[in-house]
Amino acid sequence: QQQVKQSPQSLIVQKGGISIINCAYENTAFDYFPWYQQFPGKGPALLIAIRPDVSEKKEGRFTISFNKSAKQFSLHIMDSQPGDSATYFCAASALMGKSTFGDGTTLTVKP
Amino acid sequence: DTEVTQTPKHLVMGMTNKKSLKCEQHMGHRAMYWYKQKAKKPPELMFVYSYEKLSINESVPSRFSPECPNSSLLNLHLHALQPEDSALYLCASSPVGTARGEAFFGQGTRLTVV
Repeated sequence: QQQVKQSPQSLIVQKGGISIINCAYENTAFDYFPWYQQFPGKGPALLIAIRPDVSEKKEGRFTISFNKSAKQFSLHIMDSQPGDSATYFCAASALMGKSTFGDGTTLTVKP
Repeated sequence: DTEVTQTPKHLVMGMTNKKSLKCEQHMGHRAMYWYKQKAKKPPELMFVYSYEKLSINESVPSRFSPECPNSSLLNLHLHALQPEDSALYLCASSPVGTARGEAFFGQGTRLTVV
């Protein structure tokens, strides 16, 4: 049973465009929702995270939108750049460190 | 220092070998983790240590043996691995309590079992 469903699997965006990645979860006990960015050959890096008591969090060009009633959250990358090309994983956590990851989205930003 | 350092970066081992992966962090984090990641897949949790004690073992085969000598170090001892164990092995750490889930990952060890 997959507890965090992520879409799309891959995404191609033109430079300057908006990249949107969506995740849906099932376990209402999840209370922490991070997004990780991973470049080939590197470990995942924490990008931005949100707790369910807020509906939106913005850090620079990256924004998380959170809909608790729908059990969905999304990552928006504004003004997407070629350097943003990477694999993005959403995750959800209910216990210390035991994160459940989505399957990942490969983002390609074309110059 | 906000780094999690893993050594070696690459490792090739035979199925009869014994080897160890090492992980170190100096952020004062009291939770440390081992993850396994296959190509184009998300990280899969293997073990969690909290205050140097094993708190979660995700039913990992005994050919993988974790060890936490102190609050800064985490080892993964490997013995009699199979080719399907070839993967990127990631170490991570996080504070305990207020930053639950905020894990910092190392660069990983690319393991190839031949």
